[in-house]
Amino acid sequence: RKEVEQDPGPFNVPEGATVAFNCTYSNSASQSFFWYRQDCRKEPKLLMSVYSSGNEDGRFTAQLNRASQYISLLIRDSKLSDSATYLCVVNRISGYSTLTFGKGTMLLVSP
Amino acid sequence: EAQVTQNPRYLITVTGKKLTVTCSQNMNHEYMSWYRQDPGLGLRQIYYSMNVEVTDKGDVPEGYKVSRKEKRNFPLILESPSPNQTSLYFCASSRAGLADTQYFGPGTRLTVL
Repeated sequence: RKEVEQDPGPFNVPEGATVAFNCTYSNSASQSFFWYRQDCRKEPKLLMSVYSSGNEDGRFTAQLNRASQYISLLIRDSKLSDSATYLCVVNRISGYSTLTFGKGTMLLVSP
Repeated sequence: EAQVTQNPRYLITVTGKKLTVTCSQNMNHEYMSWYRQDPGLGLRQIYYSMNVEVTDKGDVPEGYKVSRKEKRNFPLILESPSPNQTSLYFCASSRAGLADTQYFGPGTRLTVL
């Protein structure tokens, strides 16, 4: 299994739709999990951290399943401005600690 | 305004000509790092620094050097650039490390001919 794996998409959805992305990670010792958003070739920006109990921020909900080693991001009531690439990020512990970025899932929201 | 700045934003150079990409943050962050982003490969960490005078290799350090003489600055040095270092480079900083929000600079698009 790759360290952090995401479906590259693109996910094409109409405005107002609900869309969900999953991300799997291979290192069971990973401790911190995040979703970042990246607009076309711009810098990544933190969307939300992912906590064990799951967390919500407005239209966005993140879940962590440690047993199955995946995290998810749910976007409700999609807006045109949600069009971006969503990066799954995991804190990898292996000799030294570093962040491992998934290659991203592209979301395209259309009118 | 809290930010991470990088210079230059765009650079075209030739093989073997030493170059430095500067990175500066005004948030008094302890942790800084450099990433490169290539199509199909995602973001990969080059070097990181936990604090002044403390630097360490990331996943792809070959061909790069860094220094951290001041807390706010973390330059990336390519002593002898090669075409396989053509990439989009991002500097990032965070307050205390990997569990904190990473704040990225705007990126430097480097082309090595």
